[in-house]
Order: sequence, then C-alpha cells, then structure tokens
Amino acid sequence: QSALTQPRSVSGSPGQSVTIPCTGTSRDVGTYKFVSWYQQHPGKAPKLIIYDVNTRPSGVSDRFSGSKSGNTASLTISGLQAEDEADYYCCSYAGTQTPYVFGTGTTVTV
Amino acid sequence: EAQLVQPSVEVKKPGESLRISCRESGYGLSPFWFGWVRQVPGRGLEWMALMSADSSDSRYSPSFPGRVTMSVDVSTRTAYLQWSSLETSDTAVYFCARRPSVTGSPFGAWGQGTLVSVSS
Repeated sequence: QSALTQPRSVSGSPGQSVTIPCTGTSRDVGTYKFVSWYQQHPGKAPKLIIYDVNTRPSGVSDRFSGSKSGNTASLTISGLQAEDEADYYCCSYAGTQTPYVFGTGTTVTV
Repeated sequence: EAQLVQPSVEVKKPGESLRISCRESGYGLSPFWFGWVRQVPGRGLEWMALMSADSSDSRYSPSFPGRVTMSVDVSTRTAYLQWSSLETSDTAVYFCARRPSVTGSPFGAWGQGTLVSVSS
C-alpha cells in the first residue's frame, strides 16, 4: 500500500485561502469516506482537524474544510493565519487489513 | 485530564532490544484501540500497528514485516511497542494514538511521542 500523494509545499498570504490535494487510488480514497487530515507543528504531535472527509472535531476552526472527488481528497484553509504554518497530512482507510494510509505531507507557509 | 503518556527519549545501541510504552488515562470506559505511528526525522507519518484496548484484535502495516510487536496491558490501559533487535534505521519518533472502536475512525488523541535513537 503506497503513501497518498500530496504536494511538498504550498504557500499563501495572510487572509488568503490554500487548498491541499491528496491523491490516492480506488483502493483507499476513491472507495471510502474515511479520509482524515492532521496538522503538525514542529516538534509537536499531530492534531486531528478533519475526519470522515469533511467533519471537524469540536474546537477546530471552521476555516478548515475538507472535500473529496474520485480518488482525490482536499483540505482547504480559508483566511490564512500565521498559526496555520505547519505540516498537514491526509490519511485514508484502505480496508480491514490496512486501516491507515498516510499522505506524504504538505508544508504550509504563510 | 485525558492523556496518552509516553517516555520522551530512549537511547539504544544496534542489536539491543527495546519496549516503549503508552499509558492511557482519563478518556472514559468506551471501547477503543491503540495505534503506533512512526516519524523518521524530517519525514512523514507512517502507520505501524493497531490493537484493541482489550488486546483481542490487532493489525500490522505490511511496511514493517516482523520488525515490531505490539501488545496491550488491559489492567493498566497501557500499550507497548517492542523490538527484539534494533537497527540504526529504527531511529525515529514513535507516537501512540487512540481511536474509537468504530471501523474507519481517525486517531483523535495522540501522545507526545518517544524519540528512539539507535546508534553505536
């Protein structure tokens, strides 16, 4: 099971929006609704910000939103803020024997 | 306070064995699973293993064939990840994480990570 593909980096100015694509296959992203996104600041543990493609956990800013089309999921960060500078990882369910496949990770620069 | 507690650092030599721990507390009594995720310095996240908190079921990533063994002490709500013979390539931060028992659930809580450094 190969890692999901993400761009290495994206950047935007404060207040702008950025979208991070996450490309998988019909064996993972394309088949299941269980796509999640994690934010990781340097030296810190990952934090769940989106699950089930487009659901935000309690306490996560509504500036984060998720979507999916075919084999590609996307994370959009609206109204970029300095605190959004971090690494972002997508993750998809890929079946009972491979419940988690992470993306390659994207560094967001504000 | 709900938390997953891990040791910060473990320093070992190649060929040595190691067991790292992750103790869960404060999340309540609903069924859940523990998971382990590796992050090599400067690299991305890799899922390694998953085990139910009652230790009745487990999954291992095919990317780590036979390299690690996961276990759970049900009485202390502690998960373990074990190596019998470390290699320098095992140097990484190992995060434990927690997810509900529902299929497809994400990792909603994470420990702070254990840096395992393997060097001669």
